[in-house]
Amino acid sequence: DVKVTQSSRYLVKRTGEKVFLECVQDMDHENMFWYRQDPGLGLRLIYFSYDVKMKEKGDIPEGYSVSREKKERFSLILESASTNQTSMYLCASRALTGGGTEAFFGQGTRLTVV
Amino acid sequence: AQSVSQHNHHVILSEAASLELGCNYSYGGTVNLFWYVQYPGQHLQLLLKYFSGDPLVKGIKGFEAEFIKSKFSFNLRKPSVQWSDTAEYFCAVNGGSQGNLIFGKGTKLSVKP
Repeated sequence: DVKVTQSSRYLVKRTGEKVFLECVQDMDHENMFWYRQDPGLGLRLIYFSYDVKMKEKGDIPEGYSVSREKKERFSLILESASTNQTSMYLCASRALTGGGTEAFFGQGTRLTVV
Repeated sequence: AQSVSQHNHHVILSEAASLELGCNYSYGGTVNLFWYVQYPGQHLQLLLKYFSGDPLVKGIKGFEAEFIKSKFSFNLRKPSVQWSDTAEYFCAVNGGSQGNLIFGKGTKLSVKP
């Protein structure tokens, strides 16, 4: 069974902290994504990666960075957490073999910044 | 830039009613389209997808969607909803050369027993 695992379901961090969200997939997928999900706004793409050490900005990259040192792991970094980054963060992975392949999602990390 | 528009924010139906959720996209090239569902407290999972062939695609749990290229639409349908269909539904389009998915804002479906 395919699996995308996010390291935490719930996190509470203080304003100004550096926050790391980790995601691991076991499907040997080339593409990995970080989205944030907010009520009424749907899923907004923060960053994606199509290969090791490769990354592309999504729609809302400000305040975030990413790291992909190994194919199976994609980390989202909040350089200095702020209260407006309180959200649900979703990691996904997808094979690169054509456009019709589906993305698989992790359970999400609900981050609260206080 | 690619975009996806879902027309309804919240739909409330009684059991056995028919469902149609609208989805329109803007993208000039060949598209791949998806509907995902998120049940309360669960992760997003694929309902169905279209990337070529028959424009009427069938998915899990009795859902289907029709791709109408001339209308840039990919509406989701189900003839008779159940209480267990209560969830949030997201339409997505494949955009760009690197395979990222662009999502709509979602439609929350509440089914009254």
